[in-house]
Amino acid sequence: NAGVTQTPKFRILKIGQSMTLQCTQDMNHNYMYWYRQDPGMGLKLIYYSVGAGITDKGEVPNGYNVSRSTTEDFPLRLELAAPSQTSVYFCASRLGGAANEKLFFGSGTQLSVL
Amino acid sequence: GQQLNQSPQSMFIQEGEDVSMNCTSSSIFNTWLWYKQDPGEGPVLLIALYKAGELTSNGRLTAQFGITRKDSFLNISASIPSDVGIYFCAGRRETSGSRLTFGEGTQLTVNP
Repeated sequence: NAGVTQTPKFRILKIGQSMTLQCTQDMNHNYMYWYRQDPGMGLKLIYYSVGAGITDKGEVPNGYNVSRSTTEDFPLRLELAAPSQTSVYFCASRLGGAANEKLFFGSGTQLSVL
Repeated sequence: GQQLNQSPQSMFIQEGEDVSMNCTSSSIFNTWLWYKQDPGEGPVLLIALYKAGELTSNGRLTAQFGITRKDSFLNISASIPSDVGIYFCAGRRETSGSRLTFGEGTQLTVNP
């Protein structure tokens, strides 16, 4: 199993550009999450999904969109990039169910908006 | 806003020393988790706690779920250089469904 795979690893955007951060997992996990990590800070939840076709907002959803058309894929879309979206983005997944909180993280996407 | 207070923010220790860090909240949590993040990587789960008072070890790491359900502690014994990294606590509240809240992290530096 490759686990959680994120692409790209690094990206620089100009203000107003759009892009999609890709995330795929091959563990047949039901739950998938997108977090952002600002320097010296913890992880803030952007969006999450409890299964294909179901998505919900986290703490900081403004400026982002997601979709979950398959169990494996959970792309994060930035429509009009702003400097405040400069951050490291992590995708994560877990199987779900009682006492099964183990989140598997991708290696992150470092995004700069200039 | 941030609901978990993690301390200390950073620690500089000598190899062989023991380390303690903690997370506190004004809310009750059903689950406490401790993660470690190496530079350029995503966090990796170290220990998961599911019951108040639970004490769980993973090698040199020991974590406890506070009996008030509002705090958790992580101890690392006999630190080694590869313990360097950022340690995060995370918790799930009764009312938060499948969402975790993360602390702001403790940056650990171990001097050989």
